[in-house]
Amino acid sequence: QSVLTQPPSASGTPGQRVTISCSGGSSNIGTNIVHWYQQLPGTAPKLLIYRNYQRPSGVPDRFSGSKSGTSASLAISGLQSEDEADYYCASWNDSLNGPIFGTGTKVTVL
Amino acid sequence: QVQLQESGPGLVKPSETLSLTCTVSGDSISGYYWSWIRQPAGKGLEWIGRIYTSGSTNYNPSLKSRVTMSVDTSKNQFSLKLSSVTAADTAVYYCARDRVDYFDYWGQGTLVTVSS
Repeated sequence: QSVLTQPPSASGTPGQRVTISCSGGSSNIGTNIVHWYQQLPGTAPKLLIYRNYQRPSGVPDRFSGSKSGTSASLAISGLQSEDEADYYCASWNDSLNGPIFGTGTKVTVL
Repeated sequence: QVQLQESGPGLVKPSETLSLTCTVSGDSISGYYWSWIRQPAGKGLEWIGRIYTSGSTNYNPSLKSRVTMSVDTSKNQFSLKLSSVTAADTAVYYCARDRVDYFDYWGQGTLVTVSS
């Protein structure tokens, strides 16, 4: 599988918990680590989660990542209006010998 | 704080070569991998390839025949050339610091349009 599959959209009200899935295969997520990027409207992607669950300095602990088998998930707890963005998962792909990205999920705060 | 800035023509004619440069500030370019990633309007992200400061490269197989990357450590810059472009190459092009499997710093991106 040369692409990671994400739901096109997710939504929630302020304060809710939202979860985004990322489905891959044995040549990527199944044998490699997963990272997540946040892309606010009109801006460059920003590293949100790396190495499955680690947060870079400055990223709120409302964001958490996990991985199981050939899938991964990003959870946003205590959803805030500023979390409205596109979210992309990424993982190394052995057959590509390079990184691949997920299809992206647009999160809307209702 | 590491900062990256892409520069280059915003308009390229079909069949010509797209050329972009990424200037890194706030840290030495040496000792890291550096990647190019692109994003067509309204679409997802595609990794183009990476270069190490020694000059070794690794390209996406789907673009390998048309991509050349280079690095100039004296200027703290690295560059991308994509030949024989078509409308399908129209995208925002990002440069990023590559920690082997994740990208921790990104440029703001530059829109390149392929059109006559």
